[in-house]
Amino acid sequence: DAKTTQPNSMESNEEEPVHLPCNHSTISGTDYIHWYRQLPSQGPEYVIHGLTSNVNNRMASLAIAEDRKSSTLILHRATLRDAAVYYCILRDVDSGGSNYKLTFGKGTLLTVNP
Amino acid sequence: NAGVTQTPKFRILKIGQSMTLQCTQDMNHNYMYWYRQDPGMGLKLIYYSVGAGITDKGEVPNGYNVSRSTTEDFPLRLELAAPSQTSVYFCASSYSTVGGYEQYFGPGTRLTVT
Repeated sequence: DAKTTQPNSMESNEEEPVHLPCNHSTISGTDYIHWYRQLPSQGPEYVIHGLTSNVNNRMASLAIAEDRKSSTLILHRATLRDAAVYYCILRDVDSGGSNYKLTFGKGTLLTVNP
Repeated sequence: NAGVTQTPKFRILKIGQSMTLQCTQDMNHNYMYWYRQDPGMGLKLIYYSVGAGITDKGEVPNGYNVSRSTTEDFPLRLELAAPSQTSVYFCASSYSTVGGYEQYFGPGTRLTVT
């Protein structure tokens, strides 16, 4: 299974942009890059996903390197509510080839300072 | 929509007891999942289901059983509870789409086995 590498923790100031990196050097051509986050004492929530092109939504932007071996989640203006663990995940395909599962690592703990 | 709901929120079990963790989704999703999260760790997949009547093992299925008699419900059964099953359990659901998908998570059940 393709693996991801993320820093254990990062720190940011409120209202500043945050760039969360993720390395996935063994990514395959059909792997989607997903980002989830987990606020304290809550279940994970979807943030964004992409395949090859950069993606934007109301929560964040996802910048994917041209060789797809790394990606960056961008929070344009961090708020205190963005303090969470952020998971970068590559979508796994099981042996059946049609069932896609997510494998969560330890993620990056983002601290936002007021 | 209520999304994914889980009951109970908290539970303390004695070693050897059994219990069922309930999970219900009202989004008509085909796929449902059970994860566990140990302190300071990422999520590990226990079981998943691709539709009513169809279930399959994930990464850590030992000590657990599941059933899926309806699209909405996906209960997780713990038989002969052990201290190693102390964890937070998350249920999730998703559509199955070709282009990518997001998983919706419940709020979790915090289980302690003593």
